[in-house]
Amino acid sequence: EAGVVQSPRYKIIEKKQPVAFWCNPISGHNTLYWYLQNLGQGPELLIRYENEEAVDDSQLPKDRFSAERLKGVDSTLKIQPAELGDSAVYLCASSFGGGGQETQYFGPGTRLLVL
Amino acid sequence: GNSVTQMEGPVTLSEEAFLTINCTYTATGYPSLFWYVQYPGEGLQLLLKATKADDKGSNKGFEATYRKETTSFHLEKGSVQVSDSAVYFCALSNRGAQKLVFGQGTRLTINP
Repeated sequence: EAGVVQSPRYKIIEKKQPVAFWCNPISGHNTLYWYLQNLGQGPELLIRYENEEAVDDSQLPKDRFSAERLKGVDSTLKIQPAELGDSAVYLCASSFGGGGQETQYFGPGTRLLVL
Repeated sequence: GNSVTQMEGPVTLSEEAFLTINCTYTATGYPSLFWYVQYPGEGLQLLLKATKADDKGSNKGFEATYRKETTSFHLEKGSVQVSDSAVYFCALSNRGAQKLVFGQGTRLTINP
């Protein structure tokens, strides 16, 4: 069974440029998460989807970040414009259900460097 | 709010040594507890989990017991191998918030 797929794996951009990350969750997983992982720290949730509905986006900086999950499968996270402080790893995860006990499966992440 | 505090790293051990990585948590209600591992260049993988008090999670020789009275979920392994070198994250998930809250991670290096 294929795991969570993310692309690109690495991205280098200049500040003020836009950037987008793509995630394909495990087939059948209705819940999708985007996490931000800064260097030397644990991941922090940006947004959680149940099917196509964003049910928790309280930590998403909405002035520059946006996300969508059309048709409740793939998801895209966008930053526009990027700032130096956005350099980090962006992780996507998926799970079946959302009750809190289920296992979240993570993709390899997209490592973003903003120059 | 919910939070996880992990033993600070980095931790360096010799092969076959006994490993303990401490993890304590603060949470409302009855969270589920997890240990995730991140090998170099790879994504996070679930190592083990426990969903209620006194449960023991185990996998690949690693164990952790959900201790509600001490709000702890310490990771242990009796004899580590070089291949165990990685970053280990303790995390909790609360039914109410339905998201993983991670500790800062502990980098483990095992020398042959």
